[in-house]
Amino acid sequence: QVHLVESGGGVVQPGRSLRLSCAASGFTFRNYGVHWVRQAPGKGLEWVAVMWNDGSNEYYADSVKGRFTLSRDNSKNTLYLQMNSLTADDTAVYYCARGRGPTGSATPGFDPWGQGTLVTVSS
Amino acid sequence: IVMSQTPLSSPVTLGQPASISCRSSQSLVHSDGNTYLSWLQQRPGQPPRLLIYKISNRFSGVPDRFSGSGAGTDFTLKISRVEAEDVGVYYCMQSTQFPYTFGQGTKLEI
Repeated sequence: QVHLVESGGGVVQPGRSLRLSCAASGFTFRNYGVHWVRQAPGKGLEWVAVMWNDGSNEYYADSVKGRFTLSRDNSKNTLYLQMNSLTADDTAVYYCARGRGPTGSATPGFDPWGQGTLVTVSS
Repeated sequence: IVMSQTPLSSPVTLGQPASISCRSSQSLVHSDGNTYLSWLQQRPGQPPRLLIYKISNRFSGVPDRFSGSGAGTDFTLKISRVEAEDVGVYYCMQSTQFPYTFGQGTKLEI
């Protein structure tokens, strides 16, 4: 069964860092681009970032560019999101989602999605 | 690219049709000729789920009462006969150009 599981969320003070993980199972992880999408409490969806299947390319939303960094370990079937200089605006449930192709571009949708991990930035 | 959905809230009657519109601020036609417009459903307390991709392609396991249509900058999701399990928020999403963007969401309520 194709599965994505996020972890690493929690409560963090403004200005601090956090690293999220997205662990994949049930498919050949190295063949797919993987995205992060976040959802602030009671709000809509915001695309955050994507990394290509082989780690050769990545894109970020303007709201996180320069603060968030993606990496992946295909031997561990895991994608990481390093989040630095966190602010209250980063408070959200963070979902990872598999793109339906090897790259991140021209993606015909995302499937599956993980259950999400909650990040709360608060003093 | 800004995605705009209407309505933002839609009270519906079981067994009746429902329709959601999505408009993009610029054409979603990619240089490869495809239009990367998807529709997602988010049930209460659940992650989003892919319903429709490339305007009108129903994803695996999605009931045939869901259909998508449109072209260029104007798109529509239709539910032929609403069922109780269809309650939730529906989003359109463009994945033609970075950064990918979502509509504000349309809450479907019985």
